[in-house]
Amino acid sequence: ILNVEQSPQSLHVQEGDSTNFTCSFPSSNFYALHWYRWETAKSPEALFVMTLNGDEKKKGRISATLNTKEGYSYLYIKGSQPEDSATYLCAYWADYKLSFGAGTTVTVRA
Amino acid sequence: SQTIHQWPATLVQPVGSPLSLECTVEGTSNPNLYWYRQAAGRGLQLLFYSVGIGQISSEVPQNLSASRPQDRQFILSSKKLLLSDSGFYLCAWGGTGEEQYFGPGTRLTVT
Repeated sequence: ILNVEQSPQSLHVQEGDSTNFTCSFPSSNFYALHWYRWETAKSPEALFVMTLNGDEKKKGRISATLNTKEGYSYLYIKGSQPEDSATYLCAYWADYKLSFGAGTTVTVRA
Repeated sequence: SQTIHQWPATLVQPVGSPLSLECTVEGTSNPNLYWYRQAAGRGLQLLFYSVGIGQISSEVPQNLSASRPQDRQFILSSKKLLLSDSGFYLCAWGGTGEEQYFGPGTRLTVT
């Protein structure tokens, strides 16, 4: 079982504020790091698949960076909106499968 | 476009009863298929994955089993359910290293 850790477990953000949180993963034999967004009563949806060290990806107000040498990735939300409230999961790809972290639950307060 | 179906959406079963959850994928061939479970207050746990017909890899030893009788069909089963089997079950498909696409899920309550 691969150790994928996310912190913090949860956070509350005021609408309009920006925030970020961390995913750490094994740095050896890296193949890919995924980020998923999981809203209540829905299924997880992919945000990013990152494969290159130093990679930075962006989708609207959400962006992510990747450091494969030290084994961490950051997810950033700029100008948080209530619709950003969700659990954000990172997952490390190895051996045909994803190992998920426990997630960071973001609650955006209006 | 690809779609993934799961049924039933919700299920309430007594302890000791059998279970069969079905997942089918449309619009792709030879996908990697996955069964995940989220227990109450827990993260997403991989239960089984399959890279081809009849090929099943188990991640967690327990009273569940999986089968892949056809290329785009993945079935999760149990002969006798336990209370601890309650949870939200998700089926997903994806290519090697690529993003995974999740089905709508089945909420299982074992009473």
